[in-house]
Amino acid sequence: ETAVFQTPNYHVTQVGNEVSFNCKQTLGHDTMYWYKQDSKKLLKIMFSYNNKQLIVNETVPRRFSPQSSDKAHLNLRIKSVEPEDSAVYLCASSIRLSQNTLYFGAGTRLSVL
Amino acid sequence: AQSVTQPDARVTVSEGASLQLRCKYSYSGTPYLFWYVQYPRQGLQLLLKYYSGDPVVQGVNGFEAEFSKSNSSFHLRKASVHWSDSAVYFCVLTGNTGKLIFGLGTTLQVQP
Repeated sequence: ETAVFQTPNYHVTQVGNEVSFNCKQTLGHDTMYWYKQDSKKLLKIMFSYNNKQLIVNETVPRRFSPQSSDKAHLNLRIKSVEPEDSAVYLCASSIRLSQNTLYFGAGTRLSVL
Repeated sequence: AQSVTQPDARVTVSEGASLQLRCKYSYSGTPYLFWYVQYPRQGLQLLLKYYSGDPVVQGVNGFEAEFSKSNSSFHLRKASVHWSDSAVYFCVLTGNTGKLIFGLGTTLQVQP
């Protein structure tokens, strides 16, 4: 049963536009994450958010920013998309930062034209 | 340095055949190891995990994995695959820092 919900499922946009993806978890977990999965299925951590503490992967471009209203929500905003941002963005949660079992959403597929 | 290697990018087997997906890791301390599966157009789901104890761990849907410290391996096995097992399988390593290291994944195709 899905407990990490992502919207939208797909999004097509043009270079330079701003996009925002939503993620909500109903598991009561303390920690949420955003991963980027490229066309070769390679997964890269982008952000983790735990108790209002944001941990950023230093390789993530500044046009990406996470937004959280509470521990059940972690949205992702991309200020000005570029072609290399085309990917699947996966949201995940875990009980706490040190608890390593992740629960993933179904992903948001972004296509940048 | 921590790393995970899945040497087979793609594996094709016939339905009903046995399966082994290979995973090798590099980590100097005590590893925590996972196998996740990603079905088409879905997120990743946990199949099984190893923290300590019995080196053979059982997972969902008949999957099991065996941890070998001497070989630095954590291979995934299933006695008899079904067409619905077609998916991408990820081996994942973490250590005391909590940082997860994902392998590149193995795409399993089960032929009827």
